[in-house]
Amino acid sequence: QKEVEQDPGPLSVPEGAIVSLNCTYSNSAFQYFMWYRQYSRKGPELLMYTYSSGNKEDGRFTAQVDKSSKYISLFIRDSQPSDSATYLCAMIAYSGAGSYQLTFGKGTKLSVIP
Amino acid sequence: NAGVTQTPKFRVLKTGQSMTLLCAQDMNHEYMYWYRQDPGMGLRLIHYSVGEGTTAKGEVPDGYNVSRLKKQNFLLGLESAAPSQTSVYFCASSYGLAETSSYNEQFFGPGTRLTVL
Repeated sequence: QKEVEQDPGPLSVPEGAIVSLNCTYSNSAFQYFMWYRQYSRKGPELLMYTYSSGNKEDGRFTAQVDKSSKYISLFIRDSQPSDSATYLCAMIAYSGAGSYQLTFGKGTKLSVIP
Repeated sequence: NAGVTQTPKFRVLKTGQSMTLLCAQDMNHEYMYWYRQDPGMGLRLIHYSVGEGTTAKGEVPDGYNVSRLKKQNFLLGLESAAPSQTSVYFCASSYGLAETSSYNEQFFGPGTRLTVL
């Protein structure tokens, strides 16, 4: 079982829809959670981060973490064609002796159709 | 600020040839990383560095070497390229990694598309 699982999609939605992107993880040591957005032929860029269970909002984006279920989500409200990209989740765990482990999901490709 | 830059942007090699990919950052970050991204495989960490003069292996280090002689630069070398190394290579940098800190944000370069024939 991979430490981080993310459905690769592709996911296609009409403009204005609410989008839900998800990752599950198996390592309970993951404490810090991030979502990156990657446009085609570009490098990933950080969208949101959180380190506690619950919701965090930033404009049309909401990051949700449920540590008890080992499940994180990214919600996009009023989706726009400009949101079409690949979304990667990433997680950090303390791996001992002052070092940390960063693990990325494989990414979900999202297309928002006008 | 240029952020993270990578050279070259594209390269085609023949099997057995060698090359070096250069990554530079101007954000005074301590940590630097090299990833490869392949369809269906996501981002996989090749090597990383937690400071000038240090390097460490990531998930897929075989066939690659790295050097961090200057804080702002991180070089990735392929000594004898193989078709399996055809990929998009991303460099990233961050202040560090911590359990609860905005230092964790990694800034990525634009990528290098490498084809090995």
